[in-house]
Amino acid sequence: SQQGEEDPQALSIQEGENATMNCSYKTSINNLQWYRQNSGRGLVHLILIRSNEREKHSGRLRVTLDTSKKSSSLLITASRAADTASYFCATGDSGTYKYIFGTGTRLKVLA
Amino acid sequence: GAVVSQHPSRVICKSGTSVKIECRSLDFQATTMFWYRQFPKKSLMLMATSNEGSKATYEQGVEKDKFLINHASLTLSTLTVTSAHPEDSSFYICSAPQVNVNTEAFFGQGTRLTVV
Repeated sequence: SQQGEEDPQALSIQEGENATMNCSYKTSINNLQWYRQNSGRGLVHLILIRSNEREKHSGRLRVTLDTSKKSSSLLITASRAADTASYFCATGDSGTYKYIFGTGTRLKVLA
Repeated sequence: GAVVSQHPSRVICKSGTSVKIECRSLDFQATTMFWYRQFPKKSLMLMATSNEGSKATYEQGVEKDKFLINHASLTLSTLTVTSAHPEDSSFYICSAPQVNVNTEAFFGQGTRLTVV
């Protein structure tokens, strides 16, 4: 399969709690990106982390990357109902700029 | 940031007809674009790489005669779903990298195709 794996597949939490999603991939990468997709809508770019970076923050988002384990995590702190969406990781190939998506995590934040 | 525009956003067509989806890079040139397909509640699957001035490169299992890709200019790639069947109903999305500027992929808004 061309896809990376994400877990959990689905996550349901209460507003205010933190949400952690994990992504594992198979090949060497140049960078890894996280995207959000609301139901039936397009992709929203959240954050990009390069292969030589280990951690990155953007607002309530924290992304880590462990290239030795070929894995990444996305942490959303103090979650809100508006964070309810599907989250995908996508790994980038520096040679081709081709992105391969993970299987996704469906997050539901209950008000 | 760079913008990729995809058109139409929604299309309903009858079985047996062909549908064309356009992907444009609005403020940069894209010699390469990518087409993805997404089934309901599933992830995005890469279908093909569109190459300006040459043939597209298709991923394993994707029928190139079914999904015709034309990259006629540095800002436009088209995906034509030929002889559409209900099982072709899906969300199609394109992306274009701004090569040598950054490595972020810019995605179109997506096209929801429904074949009836």
